[in-house]
Amino acid sequence: EAGVAQSPRYKIIEKRQSVAFWCNPISGHATLYWYQQILGQGPKLLIQFQNNGVVDDSQLPKDRFSAERLKGVDSTLKIQPAKLEDSAVYLCASRPGQGEWQYFGPGTRLTVT
Amino acid sequence: QKEVEQNSGPLSVPEGAIASLNCTYSDRGSQSFFWYRQYSGKSPELIMSIYSNGDKEDGRFTAQLNKASQYVSLLIRDSQPSDSATYLCAVGLPGGFKTIFGAGTRLFVKA
Repeated sequence: EAGVAQSPRYKIIEKRQSVAFWCNPISGHATLYWYQQILGQGPKLLIQFQNNGVVDDSQLPKDRFSAERLKGVDSTLKIQPAKLEDSAVYLCASRPGQGEWQYFGPGTRLTVT
Repeated sequence: QKEVEQNSGPLSVPEGAIASLNCTYSDRGSQSFFWYRQYSGKSPELIMSIYSNGDKEDGRFTAQLNKASQYVSLLIRDSQPSDSATYLCAVGLPGGFKTIFGAGTRLFVKA
């Protein structure tokens, strides 16, 4: 079974530029998460999808971050414009069912200069 | 504000010893509990899940849950240098979809 795929793995941009990340969850997993993990901290939920609907985006900075999950499969997370404090690893995870654990992708390490 | 708290460490134990990692959570209605291991520069991977009070053992790992005390722990027996990593406690909130992660405890196992 293929795992959660993410791309790119690394990205360096200047502040005020835009960037997009892509995630392909494990086949059949209805729930998809985007997390932001700053060095030395635990993952912080940005947005959660159930199929192609948003379940929770309460911690997503909506003035600069956006996310979509078309057709309930792949998802993209966009930042526009980026700030220095957005430097972090962006993790995508998926889960097969309610109450079960999450499977994480390899993450995208973003550096904003 | 739902919270999951862990001692950030680092926790240092000699090879072969028992490492004990602790976690407390604030939402009394939480239903599922997970321990993830995260090596430096890698993504989290599941070690243990536990859903009911008591102990759950898997190889060298034992997860312990006490819902009355809102406390969950992970014991690692016969610790190995390869166990050196950050251990994240994660708690599933009521409803079964949202999970809150602690900040993690860094574990060093000295050879």
